[in-house]
Amino acid sequence: KAGVTQTPRYLIKTRGQQVTLSCSPISGHRSVSWYQQTPGQGLQFLFEYFSETQRNKGNFPGRFSGRQFSNSRSEMNVSTLELGDSALYLCASSLSQRTGQYFGPGTRLTVT
Amino acid sequence: QQPVQSPQAVILREGEDAVINCSSSKALYSVHWYRQKHGEAPVFLMILLKGGEQKGHEKISASFNEKKQQSSLYLTASQLSYSGTYFCGTEVAGGTSYGKLTFGQGTILTVHP
Repeated sequence: KAGVTQTPRYLIKTRGQQVTLSCSPISGHRSVSWYQQTPGQGLQFLFEYFSETQRNKGNFPGRFSGRQFSNSRSEMNVSTLELGDSALYLCASSLSQRTGQYFGPGTRLTVT
Repeated sequence: QQPVQSPQAVILREGEDAVINCSSSKALYSVHWYRQKHGEAPVFLMILLKGGEQKGHEKISASFNEKKQQSSLYLTASQLSYSGTYFCGTEVAGGTSYGKLTFGQGTILTVHP
C-alpha cells in the first residue's frame, strides 16, 4: 500500500499571505490528523477529521483551518501567516482509534 | 497536559538495552510510540490500549500500567538503526479524543558501534 503523501514538501511564504497544504491518507484510512512540529514546542495537535467531519481541534488560533473530502483527502489552510507559523506540518492517517497513526513526510513551511 | 518522558537522552553501544518511560497525569485510552530520525517523519512503533491490547512491530516491546498511567518502551540488543528520537503520544480516555495525540518532549537515543 502506498503511504501517506503530502504536498508540497517545501514552501516559502511571506508574512500576511495564506497557504494550503494537502494530505492524501493511506487507502482505506478515513481518519486524518494534522500536527505542527517545531523545535521549541515539539509535536502539537492541530485537528482531526473523519468522514469529512472535524471531530477534534487543538489549541491553535482560528487562522488554522482544515477540511476533508469524500475521498478522505484532507487540506489545511493557514491564513494571515506569521513568522511563528514556520514549522514542519505533518498529517497522519489511521484506520481506527485502536490502531496507530501513520505519518506523511510533512510540509516544511518557512514564513519570511 | 503533555506526557513526561524520561530519560531525555540516552547513549548506548550496539547490543545494549534501554528503557524509555512515558508518564501522564490523565487517565488514558491509549499510548502510542513513535521513532523519528532527523529530517524524516515519525514512524509508528507500537500502540497500547486500555484493557491490555497492544499492536506493533515484532521486535519492539512495551508495557502500559493503567493504574499509574505510565508506559515503558523496551529496546533490547540495540542496533545502529535504533538511533533517533522516540516520542510517546497519549490519547485521553473519555471518548472525545478521537485522533488527538498529545506527544511527550521526546527521548534522543544514540547507538554507537
